[in-house]
Amino acid sequence: KAGVTQTPRYLIKTRGQQVTLSCSPISGHRSVSWYQQTPGQGLQFLFEYFSETQRNKGNFPGRFSGRQFSNSRSEMNVSTLELGDSALYLCASSLEAGDNSPLHFGNGTRLTVT
Amino acid sequence: AQSVTQPDIHITVSEGASLELRCNYSYGATPYLFWYVQSPGQGLQLLLKYFSGDTLVQGIKGFEAEFKRSQSSFNLRKPSVHWSDAAEYFCAVGVIEGGADGLTFGKGTHLIIQP
Repeated sequence: KAGVTQTPRYLIKTRGQQVTLSCSPISGHRSVSWYQQTPGQGLQFLFEYFSETQRNKGNFPGRFSGRQFSNSRSEMNVSTLELGDSALYLCASSLEAGDNSPLHFGNGTRLTVT
Repeated sequence: AQSVTQPDIHITVSEGASLELRCNYSYGATPYLFWYVQSPGQGLQLLLKYFSGDTLVQGIKGFEAEFKRSQSSFNLRKPSVHWSDAAEYFCAVGVIEGGADGLTFGKGTHLIIQP
């Protein structure tokens, strides 16, 4: 069974631009979560989607948004990029929503904002 | 809100030696507990999890962890490390009610293996 696939692996953007990251979950998994990983803040929860609905959202500004499609694939969007948005963005899928459904992570998208 | 502390930022262990990585959490009840491992350039891989029951849980790659309620700890252990165990290790906490914050991760422990 294929794992979680994130595209692209690397992105370089300029301040003020917007970016869209994509995540394909493991087949049969209905929940997709997004995390931001930086050296200073570590892993921080962005949001979780289940059955095309945002179930939870972390403490990030409204510039960070996401969506989930009927096939469970998910995208996250960051608008008006700032230098501080440079990070590894990790997508994780799980069978069900909720913290007791173990997460399976993709290899991430490395975003660099210049 | 829950929190996780991994007191050791770096740990260096000789190959073949035993390993213990510390994790302490703060939460009003017994949470869901996880250990993940991240190799350079990779995502996180689940090593093991604790939800309830036996407080000693076995995971993949020969790892185990013990939940100690009295100490609010969930330390990860391995009796004999291999060079391939060099990686970043993260302890994570989830809340029983299915909270609104996703999993809360510790800052990680970087494991270095000496030959």
